[in-house]
Amino acid sequence: AQSVTQPDIHITVSEGASLELRCNYSYGATPYLFWYVQSPGQGLQLLLKYFSGDTLVQGIKGFEAEFKRSQSSFNLRKPSVHWSDAAEYFCAVGLLGTNAGKSTFGDGTTLTVKP
Amino acid sequence: DAGVIQSPRHEVTEMGQEVTLRCKPISGHDYLFWYRQTMMRGLELLIYFNNNVPIDDSGMPEDRFSAKMPNASFSTLKIQPSEPRDSAVYFCASSFGGSDQPQHFGDGTRLSIL
Repeated sequence: AQSVTQPDIHITVSEGASLELRCNYSYGATPYLFWYVQSPGQGLQLLLKYFSGDTLVQGIKGFEAEFKRSQSSFNLRKPSVHWSDAAEYFCAVGLLGTNAGKSTFGDGTTLTVKP
Repeated sequence: DAGVIQSPRHEVTEMGQEVTLRCKPISGHDYLFWYRQTMMRGLELLIYFNNNVPIDDSGMPEDRFSAKMPNASFSTLKIQPSEPRDSAVYFCASSFGGSDQPQHFGDGTRLSIL
């Protein structure tokens, strides 16, 4: 069965430091991969997506993610974190076949930014 | 562009009452999803529609929950009767096309059942 694992429940980084959030997936084919961000009191917002082609994808707010097929990973990175990046981050896989249209979401990683 | 619109934003009611949550998807989108988010269980998919037809309702917790999509621009999620354990934030999301397209989320309805 398809699954998405975000190994880190909670990460704390200092403002200005670099960030990497991990995402591993289990899927039988090349997946459609997404990262979303959820700020308090709001719904999820798309940060970036990967379908094919260049394995390093750029997103909004200075985020990027790298698809590594050999590691079944799609880690999210940002070179310098801002206090406004404090939020919950979700990795997701878009499903095919009978579940087409649906996505499987990871459990999320909560990011705290220290001043 | 107007995003996904959910109403009400907050709902507080007593157990046993009927609760109706509403969602207006983005115009032109053909998929609509209802999710529930709690601290304990995280984000759960309850049901989703394609072209107004329910495709998968396996996430609906009990018969007390029902969802409808009478047309492409409106959907409801109803809980009858409501129970305290239904307290959560309920999100509606929509997308255009298949699994290669991102979902667009509303800001949610925070439901409290007393």
